[in-house]
Amino acid sequence: AQSVAQPEDQVNVAEGNPLTVKCTYSVSGNPYLFWYVQYPNRGLQFLLKYITGDNLVKGSYGFEAEFNKSQTSFHLKKPSALVSDSALYFCAVRVSRGPNSGYALNFGKGTSLLVTP
Amino acid sequence: GAVVSQHPSRVICKSGTSVKIECRSLDFQATTMFWYRQFPKQSLMLMATSNEGSKATYEQGVEKDKFLINHASLTLSTLTVTSAHPEDSSFYICSAKTGTSVADTQYFGPGTRLTVL
Repeated sequence: AQSVAQPEDQVNVAEGNPLTVKCTYSVSGNPYLFWYVQYPNRGLQFLLKYITGDNLVKGSYGFEAEFNKSQTSFHLKKPSALVSDSALYFCAVRVSRGPNSGYALNFGKGTSLLVTP
Repeated sequence: GAVVSQHPSRVICKSGTSVKIECRSLDFQATTMFWYRQFPKQSLMLMATSNEGSKATYEQGVEKDKFLINHASLTLSTLTVTSAHPEDSSFYICSAKTGTSVADTQYFGPGTRLTVL
């Protein structure tokens, strides 16, 4: 089964410091990985995705993620955290839903990021 | 970016009644839409995959007679929770994507919070 794991329930970072939100994956074949962010009582916003190509993927709001095949990881990073980055972050992996439905997403449990002033 | 809307954003209903939630892709045609359910402080769980003009594909454990999904056009999918009970109270989120390519991104609606009294 295609799955992702987010080992941390919460990450606390001081504003201005670099942040990392961890994600590891377990897939058969090539992984297609995504990061989404969710603000309170809101839907998910797409941050970035890895399909193929460069291992370092740059996304929205200054976020980037590094695909590491040997470590089966896809950690989300940002060089300098902002208080407004505080939210719930989800890692996800593509899963097939049949020839007519394309691909859905299996999500990790989410990591709550708290950036303090 | 692509915009997906949901209506209503919040609904409270009595036990035994039915509730319809709409999901619309506003600026693109969505060949496939997905319905997810999210419990407090938990991840999104895929409920069903909906293709325009065909029957929805439900995930294991999701009652298709209770959660009726209709995808009548390329911009609209509806989820009807029939004979709702308090345990159906949850945050329901839809997403939409074009095509069946692995590179297609899912765009999420803002979610609908259902409370069944």
